[in-house]
Amino acid sequence: EPEVTQTPSHQVTQMGQEVILRCVPISNHLYFYWYRQILGQKVEFLVSFYNNEISEKSEIFDDRFSVERPDGSNFTLKIRSTKLEDSAMYFCASSVASEQFFGPGTRLTVL
Amino acid sequence: QKEVEQNSGPLSVPEGAIASLNCTYSDRGSQSFFWYRQYSGKSPELIMFIYSNGDKEDGRFTAQLNKASQYVSLLIRDSQPSDSATYLCAVNGDTGGFKTIFGAGTRLFVKA
Repeated sequence: EPEVTQTPSHQVTQMGQEVILRCVPISNHLYFYWYRQILGQKVEFLVSFYNNEISEKSEIFDDRFSVERPDGSNFTLKIRSTKLEDSAMYFCASSVASEQFFGPGTRLTVL
Repeated sequence: QKEVEQNSGPLSVPEGAIASLNCTYSDRGSQSFFWYRQYSGKSPELIMFIYSNGDKEDGRFTAQLNKASQYVSLLIRDSQPSDSATYLCAVNGDTGGFKTIFGAGTRLFVKA
């Protein structure tokens, strides 16, 4: 069964550094998403992406965040100038329509 | 601020019983409704979705939607210990970007 994959599974970075989280969505899906989940808290929407542009973004997705689909398979989330409060689990998801399927996540730890 | 509210639990039921999970949402324009299961340390797994008022059944799971009351529920019949997890209610609006708002989840324990 096709699934969303994410790399790395765990990323540790120093505050102020840039990180890139990578995702390979399910191959025939058209919509791509990033969510985050701080430990013990809700899953929070960051951004949705369709047809090579951002469809929606949340207040969390400030100008330190960016997304890119650099080729036909990968979907990336870049966070510049990381802060301690960016520490969370980041989930990529993809969908054909509204039913979204999640990847296993990347745990980001900012020290 | 669009909200999705769930009782955090824990909800404890004996094996074989029916587990009933509830959710309310604030945005009357919401179009699509989802239940995800999340095991500790894992990602959300889609188990049910519903778009129209009424009931939708899939195996041991039944989702119920009442748009007038802004209420969604999930029934799990013949609960098994493997059903022990956090159940997340999630709602899409009508903005076209499929932005999904999640509730905080209800923890379910099924006792053997």
